Amino acid sequence: AQTVTQSQPEMSVQEAETVTLSCTYDTSESDYYLFWYKQPPSRQMILVIRQEAYKQQNATENRFSVNFQKAAKSFSLKISDSQLGDAAMYFCAYRRGRSGSRLTFGEGTQLTVNP
Amino acid sequence: DAGVIQSPRHEVTEMGQEVTLRCKPISGHNSLFWYRQTMMRGLELLIYFNNNVPIDDSGMPEDRFSAKMPNASFSTLKIQPSEPRDSAVYFCASTSAGVGEQFFGPGTRLTVL
Repeated sequence: AQTVTQSQPEMSVQEAETVTLSCTYDTSESDYYLFWYKQPPSRQMILVIRQEAYKQQNATENRFSVNFQKAAKSFSLKISDSQLGDAAMYFCAYRRGRSGSRLTFGEGTQLTVNP
Repeated sequence: DAGVIQSPRHEVTEMGQEVTLRCKPISGHNSLFWYRQTMMRGLELLIYFNNNVPIDDSGMPEDRFSAKMPNASFSTLKIQPSEPRDSAVYFCASTSAGVGEQFFGPGTRLTVL
């Protein structure tokens, strides 16, 4: 069974600084996707970024980027120029290749952004 | 598009009562997922459907829980009878082939007293 682990229950960062959230996963599959979701206090689940396992290039979305280390089964999220609106719970998630497959989530990391 | 629609947004009920949660997926999406979020267990899959057919219901806690998808635009999750330990936020999400991500509804916060 696939597992996803986020070892940092809480993280904090100063506004405008950079923070990295860690995620490791375990799978025997070769075709899979990895995601970072953001859950603000409104509890809405919002996709931040996704990475296809077959792509070597790390995904980037504006201030958000990932460091995907396939051999190490590591998938960290870097947030640059942190903003107050980035404060939220962040979940790392894994999905097998087929789009009709379930997501397996990590435990989440609560990010605080200090002004 | 209105996104995934869930109702009600909040539900407070008493132990033993029947609870029905509803979900309307995004038009054109053929996969629908029910997740539950609690402090103790985090986000976990309860059941999912592809083309209205249940594929994996291994996450359904027990026989008190049931889910249906009578057509491509509607699904229900029913708890009968409800218990205090069922208190959680229940999310519905949808996706389709060729779409990379699952789109989540706003969730239903269920409180069982």
